[in-house]
Amino acid sequence: AQKITQTQPGMFVQEKEAVTLDCTYDTSDQSYGLFWYKQPSSGEMIFLIYQGSYDEQNATEGRYSLNFQKARKSTNLVISASQLGDSAMYFCAMRELTTGGYQKVTFGTGTKLQVIP
Amino acid sequence: IAGITQAPTSQILAAGRRMTLRCTQDMRHNAMYWYRQDLGLGLRLIHYSNTAGTTGKGEVPDGYSVSRANTDDFPLTLASAVPSQTSVYFCASSPRGDTEAFFGQGTRLTVV
Repeated sequence: AQKITQTQPGMFVQEKEAVTLDCTYDTSDQSYGLFWYKQPSSGEMIFLIYQGSYDEQNATEGRYSLNFQKARKSTNLVISASQLGDSAMYFCAMRELTTGGYQKVTFGTGTKLQVIP
Repeated sequence: IAGITQAPTSQILAAGRRMTLRCTQDMRHNAMYWYRQDLGLGLRLIHYSNTAGTTGKGEVPDGYSVSRANTDDFPLTLASAVPSQTSVYFCASSPRGDTEAFFGQGTRLTVV
């Protein structure tokens, strides 16, 4: 089974509208972390937002927020008031502690978001 | 140097040649990682290091080796490059393994 699943290969959103990018995960750990990264066409990976498995509140960072539903094992990224500069690939990732003793981060395959003027 | 720096930014390499991708960070982060990014597969962990002097294998370690002689540097070596190692390679670091990772700008490697 995939550890991280992003089912939307591509999404379009109108400028100034909100958009939700989906991510589901699979783990048997009680303690884990969930991340979202943005990768613009220039190629760099930019950290956006983090949610810990024990965090009771949904994480927010400016225009980014997470809709974290632990029972459903989903952590959807919501971008409010989309801007043209939000056009990029978005990766969901999960951190788990492995039996080897290191924190393993697994990435999804990404969602390409295009913001339309 | 600010943050995490990779070199070279791109490289075309003949199959069978040896190549070392360099990664340096100035944030004094303990944990460092090497990922490869391939279309449709996301990022996959090659090797990691929790602290200076220790390294470990990730998901796709075959054909790659790393060393961590000090906190700042984490080079990735391809002993004998093959075309399937054509990819974009990202180095990353984090203060501890359980926090977000900061990425370098990537190295685009083409093995022909």
